[in-house]
Amino acid sequence: DVKVTQSSRYLVKRTGEKVFLECVQDMDHENMFWYRQDPGLGLRLIYFSYDVKMKEKGDIPEGYSVSREKKERFSLILESASTNQTSMYLCASRGDSRAGYTFGSGTRLTVV
Amino acid sequence: AQSVTQPDIHITVSEGASLELRCNYSYGATPYLFWYVQSPGQGLQLLLKYFSGDTLVQGIKGFEAEFKRSQSSFNLRKPSVHWSDAAEYFCAVGASGSARQLTFGSGTQLTVLP
Repeated sequence: DVKVTQSSRYLVKRTGEKVFLECVQDMDHENMFWYRQDPGLGLRLIYFSYDVKMKEKGDIPEGYSVSREKKERFSLILESASTNQTSMYLCASRGDSRAGYTFGSGTRLTVV
Repeated sequence: AQSVTQPDIHITVSEGASLELRCNYSYGATPYLFWYVQSPGQGLQLLLKYFSGDTLVQGIKGFEAEFKRSQSSFNLRKPSVHWSDAAEYFCAVGASGSARQLTFGSGTQLTVLP
């Protein structure tokens, strides 16, 4: 079964820490995405990547960066975590345009 | 730019009743359209999709959706709801022929009464 795997389901970090969220897909997809999900706001795109070492900003990139050194792995980095980054983070990948996204199970991050 | 509106934040139905969740999109050409479901604490699962052809599409778990170009809508339906359908539902639109990003609606939370 094809998968998108997010390394952590739950994380608790302190304000100011550097946080890494990891996402791995086994479908050889070129496109990968990071969203955050907050109640009442739906899914908001943070960054996406359409190829190794390529990245584009989404709607809310401030306070985040990303890394894609290998095709299967797309990392989201919070350079200095803040309490307003407490959220559910969802990773997704996409191959064929007709296939839609395949999502990971999400990482619920709490910044204290 | 593409956009999606789900006008209903929360819907409550009784088990066995029919269901329709609304989705309106804005896009200049024929879009690719998707419905996803999210159970609490989980990622999103694809229910069904439309990109061309028959405007009535069938999905998993007994769901269907109808693409209506004249109304810019892609409403999700189910004839008889089960308690296990309680979840949040998201409509999404993508540019035709592109594997780039989807734009999501803000979601509709479905509660099912016994």
